[in-house]
Amino acid sequence: GAGVSQSPSNKVTEKGKDVELRCDPISGHTALYWYRQRLGQGLEFLIYFQGNSAPDKSGLPSDRFSAERTGESVSTLTIQRTQQEDSAVYLCASSLTSGGGYAGELFFGEGSRLTVL
Amino acid sequence: DAKTTQPPSMDCAEGRAANLPCNHSTISGNEYVYWYRQIHSQGPQYIIHGLKNNETNEMASLIITEDRKSSTLILPHATLRDTAVYYCIVRGKAAGNKLTFGGGTRVLVKP
Repeated sequence: GAGVSQSPSNKVTEKGKDVELRCDPISGHTALYWYRQRLGQGLEFLIYFQGNSAPDKSGLPSDRFSAERTGESVSTLTIQRTQQEDSAVYLCASSLTSGGGYAGELFFGEGSRLTVL
Repeated sequence: DAKTTQPPSMDCAEGRAANLPCNHSTISGNEYVYWYRQIHSQGPQYIIHGLKNNETNEMASLIITEDRKSSTLILPHATLRDTAVYYCIVRGKAAGNKLTFGGGTRVLVKP
């Protein structure tokens, strides 16, 4: 597919369990972003990856949240010891970056809906 | 990134133009105005962006005031499928500048 792909689309887990959410960006897109959207709320920035640079982790809400990205491809968002307040849709986006460091528009995936019981 | 202010909701008649306002009085000279929309249960979708000049594409037109402190997104002929939350965002174009989403405007297109 040509778009940003996220999996799983839905995940139900028990409080205290760890979860991993996956994002496959559009091929060739060097920038990758993770956002969280709680029910009825706006999008909250979590983390940003750009090439081999150190990621911008300024939006991660706690040390239970971490993310990795392998080169300019797949990214995984991990939430350890999940809590009920982690229930949300987790959205991934990618964008092209020009040689001048300017980003094109962000393309979002459909999101992974996480429900913590 | 500069803060934006949008009305929380608005209704629009199908087939009519929808004019969505946005205030961004603290925008700086190198920040662009971006518009995204989010249809229910989907990820946000890019619509249009601009710096100073008015812009038009196949989806919409963007009118930016001369002082750049406000802008209007125009959907020329609204359809039921345009029902969505519309976000106005100001952002520097450098790749490290993340999109900061506010509350947006919930647009309901009515038949």
